[in-house]
Amino acid sequence: NAGVTQTPKFRVLKTGQSMTLLCAQDMNHEYMYWYRQDPGMGLRLIHYSVGEGTTAKGEVPDGYNVSRLKKQNFLLGLESAAPSQTSVYFCASSKHLLGTGNQPQHFGDGTRLSIL
Amino acid sequence: AQSVTQLDSQVPVFEEAPVELRCNYSSSVSVYLFWYVQYPNQGLQLLLKYLSGSTLVKGINGFEAEFNKSQTSFHLRKPSVHISDTAEYFCAVSDFDGQNFVFGPGTRLSVLP
Repeated sequence: NAGVTQTPKFRVLKTGQSMTLLCAQDMNHEYMYWYRQDPGMGLRLIHYSVGEGTTAKGEVPDGYNVSRLKKQNFLLGLESAAPSQTSVYFCASSKHLLGTGNQPQHFGDGTRLSIL
Repeated sequence: AQSVTQLDSQVPVFEEAPVELRCNYSSSVSVYLFWYVQYPNQGLQLLLKYLSGSTLVKGINGFEAEFNKSQTSFHLRKPSVHISDTAEYFCAVSDFDGQNFVFGPGTRLSVLP
């Protein structure tokens, strides 16, 4: 009963390096999301997906790319990491868009990313 | 579009004391309201939600919240907190279509022995 799994849990990068964060869900959810969490700013939506093969921009998409090649996986990529991207990244999934109704969003445990 | 305000960024409280975490929202349409809890180094968990019906909503871990439409508030309360309640609490709002799901900035609850 894994729910939403994020890998890795921690990572330190140098400015300019690239990396991919992986999110996997086993609930057959159509919708998946990537958020970043920064002190005093709550959660901000980076990108989301309404189904396999689709992606859409959220509130703060610049500097990130995403892909949803398989329904259960949603990848977040940083092509050229910048110190401003130091944050905690959360993946979520839901049965309905943004998890309204009786099916809320399910969140992973987060990835703590530091850019030096 | 909706917005959410959590006026208290930090709330320290002694164990077994009551606590209220404030949440106010603004919206031009009817909304659903949520409270999430985030324990240290973990993701978010849904505490409770208001969809319709009774304005007093009971959630997990002894928390409850009351929807007040006239004051556009959805304050979270617990009559007696435990050390294990130390966490960050997020209020969130969504319209009925789910087009705009917005989180508040969070309130860090610290329960002191």
